[in-house]
Amino acid sequence: DAGVTQSPTHLIKTRGQQVTLRCSPKSGHDTVSWYQQALGQGPQFIFQYYEEEERQRGNFPDRFSGHQFPNYSSELNVNALLLGDSALYLCASSLTENTGELFFGEGSRLTVL
Amino acid sequence: AQRVTQPEKLLSVFKGAPVELKCNYSYSGSPELFWYVQYSRQRLQLLLRHISRESIKGFTADLNKGETSFHLKKPFAQEEDSAMYYCALRGVGFQKLVFGTGTRLLVSP
Repeated sequence: DAGVTQSPTHLIKTRGQQVTLRCSPKSGHDTVSWYQQALGQGPQFIFQYYEEEERQRGNFPDRFSGHQFPNYSSELNVNALLLGDSALYLCASSLTENTGELFFGEGSRLTVL
Repeated sequence: AQRVTQPEKLLSVFKGAPVELKCNYSYSGSPELFWYVQYSRQRLQLLLRHISRESIKGFTADLNKGETSFHLKKPFAQEEDSAMYYCALRGVGFQKLVFGTGTRLLVSP
């Protein structure tokens, strides 16, 4: 089991562009959460997906959107990129939506120039 | 509001010394508390949670509701304990984890 996999691992964008990040959950997991980790900070919750629906959302603008597919994989989309969106984006999967036991991917590092 | 505070960015100890990584939280209800760890070049992973009340890799953490703390302790640090440690909280009815800013533990020989 490869665990949670994310792609791409690194990417560079310019302000105003759009980005899509992808995540495959750990085998047997049906819930996916996304976190943003800025340099020197702890991960910050963006949103969680379960049964292809957004279940809960953190304090992030509508520029951040997501999707979950029938195979439980997920995408995070960010529109109109700002310099402040530069961060490590972590995907985490879990067995259920009501648990704090998360399995993290290695992250996608986004740099916005 | 839910908040987790880890007051130390860096904790440096010698091998064999006791370790205590501090975590304080702010939450009006009964939270679930966790410690996550990230070793060098590895992904973030769960170390332990207060509900299980178990010792993992010699680490323990006790939830003190009076002091709103969940400090992580180990009596004798090992070099392989060097890592980034994050304390996290999950409130009742919330799916999200709220993380602290992390403490880097450096264990020297």
